[in-house]
Amino acid sequence: DTGVSQNPRHKITKRGQNVTFRCDPISEHNRLYWYRQTLGQGPEFLTYFQNEAQLEKSRLLSDRFSAERPKGSFSTLEIQRTEQGDSAMYLCASSPTIFYTFGSGTRLTVV
Amino acid sequence: QKEVEQDPGPLSVPEGAIVSLNCTYSNSAFQYFMWYRQYSRKGPELLMYTYSSGNKEDGRFTAQVDKSSKYISLFIRDSQPSDSATYLCAMRPTGANNLFFGTGTRLTVIP
Repeated sequence: DTGVSQNPRHKITKRGQNVTFRCDPISEHNRLYWYRQTLGQGPEFLTYFQNEAQLEKSRLLSDRFSAERPKGSFSTLEIQRTEQGDSAMYLCASSPTIFYTFGSGTRLTVV
Repeated sequence: QKEVEQDPGPLSVPEGAIVSLNCTYSNSAFQYFMWYRQYSRKGPELLMYTYSSGNKEDGRFTAQVDKSSKYISLFIRDSQPSDSATYLCAMRPTGANNLFFGTGTRLTVIP
């Protein structure tokens, strides 16, 4: 296992299109997190899964955003009707306890 | 006011210098204090963590937490060009699932 894997690494999309990102956590980690990081800022929490249950969502996660973690394994984050303000790095992290391992992120550019 | 404040820098130092990075916070419920290092186009990686107040040393790195002043520090001794990265402080209240990050300080160590 080489860590948390995120795909794609970079996504360019036109405003209004839908995008989906995938995160494959470290296999024995039951906790999975999504964060968003804009240029010059620290990561901001979006949502948290324990196994397949989505236990917490930030107010940053508008109704255009949806996340899933079927069967408690990989997770997907979908953004519908993308806006330019959605341009950011989307980071996934997993952990067995409170200390995270982050993936390298998916950089989204909305044009 | 953000819950975690961090000077974004940038900070440039000569190789071998002692580097001091700092964050302040407003939430008294924060109990776990972490420092992450983030290289360009990569996800953050955990450097050090401290629970509650006190100091912790790991090689060239020392983390300090002063809960009475709501102030945390990371010291890097004998800084190396490979230390050039963005350093993010992060904090977590007891019982919470998410981290609150500072904006990050961009450090460059000049050979």
